[in-house]
Amino acid sequence: DARVTQTPRHKVTEMGQEVTMRCQPILGHNTVFWYRQTMMQGLELLAYFRNRAPLDDSGMPKDRFSAEMPDATLATLKIQPSEPRDSAVYFCASGLVLGQGVEAFFGQGTRLTVV
Amino acid sequence: QKEVEQNSGPLSVPEGAIASLNCTYSDRVSQSFFWYRQYSGKSPELIMSIYSNGDKEDGRFTAQLNKASQYVSLLIRDSQPSDSATYLCAVKGDTGRRALTFGSGTRLQVQP
Repeated sequence: DARVTQTPRHKVTEMGQEVTMRCQPILGHNTVFWYRQTMMQGLELLAYFRNRAPLDDSGMPKDRFSAEMPDATLATLKIQPSEPRDSAVYFCASGLVLGQGVEAFFGQGTRLTVV
Repeated sequence: QKEVEQNSGPLSVPEGAIASLNCTYSDRVSQSFFWYRQYSGKSPELIMSIYSNGDKEDGRFTAQLNKASQYVSLLIRDSQPSDSATYLCAVKGDTGRRALTFGSGTRLQVQP
């Protein structure tokens, strides 16, 4: 059953703490996206990797967020220090570039609450 | 101007009717277009992709693309209450560095 796996599913943390979210892309996919979804802003792109190399992280607050792909089976998104305004659902999606486009498949998301 | 625009809705249609969802995009050189469905509290699910002008049909769903007008639409025939969800339009630019950009979504309500 090929699917994107995200951990943890839920995270409650105190302001100032470090948060690490993990994503296992679908085996064989060469593209990974990180999105943040809130009611007010919708789905916002945070980072985009192709063959583990970052192509676009312009939407990510660089002072506190970082995204990496240590290997092809793991993508991480880290927030340090976390703030209440970071509360949102964070989605990872993976896809395989085929010709013109990339069909992205989403994980179940990490619901982050920063208190 | 947002890169991808959708009417937030809600769009309310009776069961069995055709639901028409629309999306416009600003980047004229965009090449790939996608429709996702998102149920409340769940993750987006890919339902259609379209790359060329014209119509593409898959079951009860038809995606329509008009690049000259920078317009993408999704038609849902014989709408069912289970189709009630938020529908997200996504667009990808023509270069490898451009990621997938989403609209804010249209909430569809199918009334039994």
